[in-house]
Amino acid sequence: KAGVTQTPRYLIKTRGQQVTLSCSPISGHRSVSWYQQTPGQGLQFLFEYFSETQRNKGNFPGRFSGRQFSNSRSEMNVSTLELGDSALYLCASSLRTGVGTGELFFGEGSRLTVL
Amino acid sequence: DQQVKQNSPSLSVQEGRISILNCDYTNSMFDYFLWYKKYPAEGPTFLISISSIKDKNEDGRFTVFLNKSAKHLSLHIVPSQPGDSAVYFCAASRTGFQKLVFGTGTRLLVSP
Repeated sequence: KAGVTQTPRYLIKTRGQQVTLSCSPISGHRSVSWYQQTPGQGLQFLFEYFSETQRNKGNFPGRFSGRQFSNSRSEMNVSTLELGDSALYLCASSLRTGVGTGELFFGEGSRLTVL
Repeated sequence: DQQVKQNSPSLSVQEGRISILNCDYTNSMFDYFLWYKKYPAEGPTFLISISSIKDKNEDGRFTVFLNKSAKHLSLHIVPSQPGDSAVYFCAASRTGFQKLVFGTGTRLLVSP
């Protein structure tokens, strides 16, 4: 069974540009969550999608957005990139949502560097 | 406001000894707690979890203890093995919410 797949794995952008990251969840998983990992802040929740609907959103500015498609694949977009957006962006999938089990299956992440 | 704290950024232990990783939380609404392990260049992998109705959960060499009154949980690894060397994240959630709140991680180094 294939795991969570994230593309691209690495990318470099300059300030002001925008970026789109993609995530394919484990087959059959309908919930996709996104996290940002930085050295000082650890993993911080961005948002969660279930059945194409955003269910939860973290404390990030509106420049961070996402969506989920009917096949459960998800994308996140960051517009007007800032240096502080440099981070590892992790996608996680799970079968269900809101049940409090919290057992998420993470991808390897997309490492974004903003110059 | 860091709701989940791992105050030790690193821990070094000898192979065969016990590793104890600690985590504190401030939000009393959290009722489910997890530990994840992360190797470099990989995503976090789920290790063990505990519900707030329990105070202990075991899985092989890994045991998680929860002290609700102190808002503290710990992960015990016995015996520690070099392959356990990784960054360990504590996380908390509330029933009904898929969002996990993570600590900043503790880097465990197990030396032969």
